[in-house]
Amino acid sequence: TQLLEQSPQFLSIQEGENLTVYCNSSSVFSSLQWYRQEPGEGPVLLVTVVTGGEVKKLKRLTFQFGDARKDSSLHITAAQPGDTGLYLCAGARSAGNQFYFGTGTSLTVIP
Amino acid sequence: DAGVIQSPRHEVTEMGQEVTLRCKPISGHDYLFWYRQTMMRGLELLIYFNNNVPIDDSGMPEDRFSAKMPNASFSTLKIQPSEPRDSAVYFCASSLGSYTEAFFGQGTRLTVV
Repeated sequence: TQLLEQSPQFLSIQEGENLTVYCNSSSVFSSLQWYRQEPGEGPVLLVTVVTGGEVKKLKRLTFQFGDARKDSSLHITAAQPGDTGLYLCAGARSAGNQFYFGTGTSLTVIP
Repeated sequence: DAGVIQSPRHEVTEMGQEVTLRCKPISGHDYLFWYRQTMMRGLELLIYFNNNVPIDDSGMPEDRFSAKMPNASFSTLKIQPSEPRDSAVYFCASSLGSYTEAFFGQGTRLTVV
């Protein structure tokens, strides 16, 4: 049983479109991270959110941590082919604990 | 720093053989993590170390798997004997703290035939 479920599992969109991917759990997390992984590489951290309701922006990417700290979303505006990759969320349940990774969303942006 | 370095990048071995994966973490990082990634199960934490000491190995699938960290700059993950279901990409990651950014290596793609 996965602690963190991500949806959709696969997403293919045209360049310029907007999209949102979700990370959901029944557990409360003290912090949550989003990573992007490109083929043949390891995941790379995009952002960390720690406060319920927190919103962080990274250029065209907007990350939100749910008020109850059980879920998170990643919104991409005007997607570009360079956004293609596997997006992973990872949550930590308590201080000093390791991060549990979600199931991942594989995004393909078609030029 | 060159980042987390893993070797080999690819490994093909026959069932029953011993496999050793190697990792050099980023200098100064206190935490080292070993992950396994498959299409079916995603990215799973196998074991992690803090200051060279194993803290949680509950993710290690079987006794066939073992990990060591003899010093702050080197860790190994060993599978003996290997089985086809062990085929996956194995990642090593290191971080300054358990709550901070994890830096991943490029992974070792293991194929057991």
